[in-house]
Amino acid sequence: KQEVTQIPAALSVPEGENLVLNCSFTDSAIYNLQWFRQDPGKGLTSLLLIQSSQREQTSGRLNASLDKSSGRSTLYIAASQPGDSATYLCAVVNNDMRFGAGTRLTVKP
Amino acid sequence: DAGVIQSPRHEVTEMGQEVTLRCKPISGHDYLFWYRQTMMRGLELLIYFNNNVPIDDSGMPEDRFSAKMPNASFSTLKIQPSEPRDSAVYFCAIVDVRESNNEQFFGPGTRLTVL
Repeated sequence: KQEVTQIPAALSVPEGENLVLNCSFTDSAIYNLQWFRQDPGKGLTSLLLIQSSQREQTSGRLNASLDKSSGRSTLYIAASQPGDSATYLCAVVNNDMRFGAGTRLTVKP
Repeated sequence: DAGVIQSPRHEVTEMGQEVTLRCKPISGHDYLFWYRQTMMRGLELLIYFNNNVPIDDSGMPEDRFSAKMPNASFSTLKIQPSEPRDSAVYFCAIVDVRESNNEQFFGPGTRLTVL
């Protein structure tokens, strides 16, 4: 059974810092991996989707990498802003979709 | 743009009552998913449909839960009878394989409180 772990559970940084969020999974036979953002009391917003054949995806200040062999993905956020404050979840798809518990990010002005 | 409408956005009910949550995709899709999110267990997949056919309902917690998709434009998740431990946010999500390369798009969720 696929298990998805996100570290750290919470992160607080000053505005302008570059940061990395981590996601690890136990079964490397994945179909794809997706990063989401969730604001308090809101639904999930898709940020980046990485197919199993890809190594990374970029969108603006966000860059997600995938290393299937080690069961890891990272989400890199450059030049963080207070508006980036949210919970970030990774989800791994093989036979179904498994979510990590999320990293709660706070970017302080 | 892919999108999903969920209703109601908030539901408060008493234990033992029947609850029906609704999901309406506003764009084409191949797959439709129902999830539940709680503080204790995070996001859990309950059931998903492919072309309106239920594929995997192993995540449905009990027989009190049932889901239907009578057509491509509508799905329901029903809890009967409801219990306080069913309190959670329930999300519906869709995938349009041809348009989004298997990316999932979530609705805003229904916050259910069972007293």
